[in-house]
Amino acid sequence: DTAVSQTPKYLVTQMGNDKSIKCEQNLGHDTMYWYKQDSKKFLKIMFSYNNKELIINETVPNRFSPKSPDKAHLNLHINSLELGDSAVYFCASSQEVSGGGGRNTQYFGPGTRLTVL
Amino acid sequence: QKEVEQNSGPLSVPEGAIASLNCTYSDRGSQSFFWYRQYSGKSPELIMFIYSNGDKEDGRFTAQLNKASQYVSLLIRDSQPSDSATYLCAVRGGGFKTIFGAGTRLFVKA
Repeated sequence: DTAVSQTPKYLVTQMGNDKSIKCEQNLGHDTMYWYKQDSKKFLKIMFSYNNKELIINETVPNRFSPKSPDKAHLNLHINSLELGDSAVYFCASSQEVSGGGGRNTQYFGPGTRLTVL
Repeated sequence: QKEVEQNSGPLSVPEGAIASLNCTYSDRGSQSFFWYRQYSGKSPELIMFIYSNGDKEDGRFTAQLNKASQYVSLLIRDSQPSDSATYLCAVRGGGFKTIFGAGTRLFVKA
């Protein structure tokens, strides 16, 4: 009954390869996110989808392409992997509530540790 | 200037003491403020949120918000070794984006 799940948990690959990370949430939320957490533990937003529509697209190399087939799923595809892509990638979800407040709390998946050799 | 700033620490306190974690933010239009805890190798988990000026208490945790000073803090009373983790301050404006601080590492000595 995991709320936000990600696969794979660990990903080790060579430079230049293409890889995908998958995320699924069973919380019924309408918004999903991808974050990158680097070696200094800084958590940075990459993308966000609300009801399958891309709403946040930060300054991320176009080698990264998110895809949301439905509200419960958000995948991240990375082309031509580089050494600097090594990080932990977190998926998160939230339910957008008009007026906000704390009701837009984000729930995080367990993370995918990507190592590019 | 970073949008959300935290002292990286480590902040070291003895068991049973009060740990005080601070965060400042630059966007005056920010509406919601969150504290997450992240254990090493784990994902962030929500401790508290606050969106009105003043204090909000939940068990051993108290969040304090001062919008005029653009300052939010988290107090942990009766600190336990199990509280040792990185604490992330997160701030959300009127849109969908939540900005996270770099986190403060807390170490509670038994």
